[in-house]
Amino acid sequence: DVQLLESGGGLVQPGGSLRLSCAASGFTFSTNGMSWVRQAPGKGLEWVSGISGRDGNTYYADSVKGRFTISRDNSKNTLYLQMNSLRGDDTAVYYCAKCIGAVVAVPFDYWGQGTLVTVSS
Amino acid sequence: DIQMTQSPSSLSASVGDRVTITCRASQAISNYLAWYQQKPGKVPKLLIYAASTLQSGVPSRFSGSGSGTDFTLTISSLQPEDVATYYCQKYKSAPLLDFGGGTKVEIK
Repeated sequence: DVQLLESGGGLVQPGGSLRLSCAASGFTFSTNGMSWVRQAPGKGLEWVSGISGRDGNTYYADSVKGRFTISRDNSKNTLYLQMNSLRGDDTAVYYCAKCIGAVVAVPFDYWGQGTLVTVSS
Repeated sequence: DIQMTQSPSSLSASVGDRVTITCRASQAISNYLAWYQQKPGKVPKLLIYAASTLQSGVPSRFSGSGSGTDFTLTISSLQPEDVATYYCQKYKSAPLLDFGGGTKVEIK
């Protein structure tokens, strides 16, 4: 079975940094595109960032470009999201999502349970 | 940027009713559209992709249609377990994988 397990969330002050991890299992991680999607409390879904499976190309929403960095370690079957210069509006549950194929511009067929990031002083 | 607009933002219907949710793109996106269901307190679940292809395991009462700018998710006979918020998502090209604002479906 496909499993995605996020970790690394927590409380951080504005301007601070946090690194999220997503441990994947049950599929060939190295050939799959992966994304991060977030959901602010009581709000809708917002795609944050994605990384393709084969060539590792990365993509970002305008709201996080220049502050967040997505990466993957195929030897560890793990996806990461390095978040810097965090702001209050980054407060959300962050989901790791598996893309249907190798590229990023495809739907997400599996989602992790999410990890909560709270940015507050 | 291509904007995705869902309507209505919420609806209340009776068990057995036919329910229709609309998603409109500000520019044509061919059939690069997916629908997700998020039950209260749960993780989103893929229902439909390529506008009308049912994801494996999804009940046949769910269907999708449309192409270009106008898309529809239909629940042919609403069931109590369908209470959820439904999101459309365009995926024509990265980095613009935006979701619609969501439609909350409740039982009357």
